[in-house]
Amino acid sequence: QSVLTQPPSVSAAPGQKVTISCSGSSSNIGNNYVSWYQQLPGAPPKLLIYDNNQRPSGIPDRFSGSKSGTSATLGITGLQTGDEADYYCGTWDSSLSDLWVFGGGTQLTVL
Amino acid sequence: EVQLVESGGTLVRPGGSLRLSCVASGFPFSTYWMHWVRQAPGKGLMWVSRINGDGRSTLYADSVKGRFTVSRDSAKNTVYLQMSSLGAEDTAVYYCARLFCTSITCYYDHWGQGTLVTVSS
Repeated sequence: QSVLTQPPSVSAAPGQKVTISCSGSSSNIGNNYVSWYQQLPGAPPKLLIYDNNQRPSGIPDRFSGSKSGTSATLGITGLQTGDEADYYCGTWDSSLSDLWVFGGGTQLTVL
Repeated sequence: EVQLVESGGTLVRPGGSLRLSCVASGFPFSTYWMHWVRQAPGKGLMWVSRINGDGRSTLYADSVKGRFTVSRDSAKNTVYLQMSSLGAEDTAVYYCARLFCTSITCYYDHWGQGTLVTVSS
């Protein structure tokens, strides 16, 4: 049972838009910045979004992030088959001695 | 270029011990906190442990506390994870990750490729 809750899977057609939610509490998302990680099949995780809505260099603007209260959302527009991956949100949790927590992950399928 | 290269993963018997290594390059190693994150087969990411820049502060997930020890050697730009009393539940790919922090935020900006630990008789 992950501290941060994500839907196990989402799917959409190529070219469409999808959103992935990440729900937490005041001890984690509510008071800390959220980052998102993309894990392509057979690869390590890769930073996708940091500070709730910032993209590292090289990440296309099709990827976006937002946060409201104790929830965060990852948005992907113009879906491509290469976006098929697992997506994880993460942040600190101050109720757990400042341990890092991840969401359970969401598998994106581009139909 | 920042690189993190893990090694040491292998098949180990239940109750056994193992030491993982993560060699870092391309950045001032001692200024960064380093973390270990694991991923059991077909499962999600689970934070395992972290060590601060000078190695004097460590923290562990409850599931590994008392069995795992994280350390670092600045002369070798290497962070270690010593694992003991291993059980099947420790079977996972272990990733080493660099934590990038500013005054108000932190996130993992670089990850290693991972090393597989399999605990089985």
